[in-house]
Amino acid sequence: DSGVTQTPKHLITATGQRVTLRCSPRSGDLSVYWYQQSLDQGLQFLIQYYNGEERAKGNILERFSAQQFPDLHSELNLSSLELGDSALYFCASSVGGLALETQYFGPGTRLLVL
Amino acid sequence: AQTVTQSQPEMSVQEAETVTLSCTYDTSESDYYLFWYKQPPSRQMILVIRQEAYKQQNATENRFSVNFQKAAKSFSLKISDSQLGDAAMYFCAYRSGLGNSGGSNYKLTFGKGTLLTVNP
Repeated sequence: DSGVTQTPKHLITATGQRVTLRCSPRSGDLSVYWYQQSLDQGLQFLIQYYNGEERAKGNILERFSAQQFPDLHSELNLSSLELGDSALYFCASSVGGLALETQYFGPGTRLLVL
Repeated sequence: AQTVTQSQPEMSVQEAETVTLSCTYDTSESDYYLFWYKQPPSRQMILVIRQEAYKQQNATENRFSVNFQKAAKSFSLKISDSQLGDAAMYFCAYRSGLGNSGGSNYKLTFGKGTLLTVNP
């Protein structure tokens, strides 16, 4: 158990819908990262937050957005869902902003868009 | 942009034997970190080992060790005395040591992965 929690574990929804994925980082960790794992794209970085502020963006679609709240939990919002958004979404956390820190991954949320 | 390449989509090894998984990367940076993550059927991403680019000594964690060749940009993982529990997808990952202006842009860039099968 990494100490990072993600809810829900599984999500099944329809095209065009909107979902919210939630992540609670390890106690004391200020940085949260979101990654998407799909069969065709592999593991891709989406976005990073540090102590409530967005710090880096990767291959995140405009239909997707995220935020980190004062209690440091983070939410990833996916809207106008398409079949291709079906993937495993991981949240990871680290203590702060140092490159030497290990990123600890949560168990992931498996999203299936029908 | 940095890229990570794992040229072996699948590998197999007999229990108790040794196997080496390959990884190469492309970067123009001198300060960076390299990682191997394991993803078993449970889908959890588990850190196996990490290597700092400034360290010449290869990292070792119990049965897991790396062969880090900085000039060749190669970072292979050796698993000794393979166990059934080692069966998983293994991902090589790169992280810059520089970061952005806030010092907090430390995303991981992953390879496509190598699926390791351990035969009893």
